[in-house]
Amino acid sequence: GAVVSQHPSWVICKSGTSVKIECRSLDFQATTMFWYRQFPKQSLMLMATSNEGSKATYEQGVEKDKFLINHASLTLSTLTVTSAHPEDSSFYICSANAGATNTEAFFGQGTRLTVV
Amino acid sequence: DAKTTQPPSMDCAEGRAANLPCNHSTISGNEYVYWYRQIHSQGPQYIIHGLKNNETNEMASLIITEDRKSSTLILPHATLRDTAVYYCIVRVGDTPLVFGKGTRLSVIA
Repeated sequence: GAVVSQHPSWVICKSGTSVKIECRSLDFQATTMFWYRQFPKQSLMLMATSNEGSKATYEQGVEKDKFLINHASLTLSTLTVTSAHPEDSSFYICSANAGATNTEAFFGQGTRLTVV
Repeated sequence: DAKTTQPPSMDCAEGRAANLPCNHSTISGNEYVYWYRQIHSQGPQYIIHGLKNNETNEMASLIITEDRKSSTLILPHATLRDTAVYYCIVRVGDTPLVFGKGTRLSVIA
């Protein structure tokens, strides 16, 4: 199947700093990518939809100024967690639709963020 | 909110078939049924999806009832590596997948 790659796999940062997570579609172009967050023992929660060449669409309750999303090319979307706090520690996962409508979406391997 | 209901957990003996049920009684005519699984600390893995016909691939079979209000994912010969959380999701077009709580499948030796 299609490959979606995230980088880094894990990151530890200090409170108040910013962290950038990259999501790449390696063998296909993705006009739309999705960002999720997952806390321990919980399910994935959709944060935002990343649209190539336009602004991201954020879910209710997700601060767009804190979670900056950039989708500058058809193969790369980035999520920047600004002024990170310990409560932002989570597993962040991206996904992208690889093919025609009504086909599967593929997920990255996830990024474990720990804010200390 | 997720439009599906799944049992929170199930056990299955290694080598036996694992049958995971899902209820989606409010499914719309153009919504597909997707199944994904997530092994601990990894991104979700696509398994299979279908609209109304039963589907089979190298990983699993998907049985959808005639009224489309429920479905069953079948792993024909479960192995220890199939231990994971399985998510049943209904989705139309290329909209984002909305995850419910899923079923935690434990395959026991």
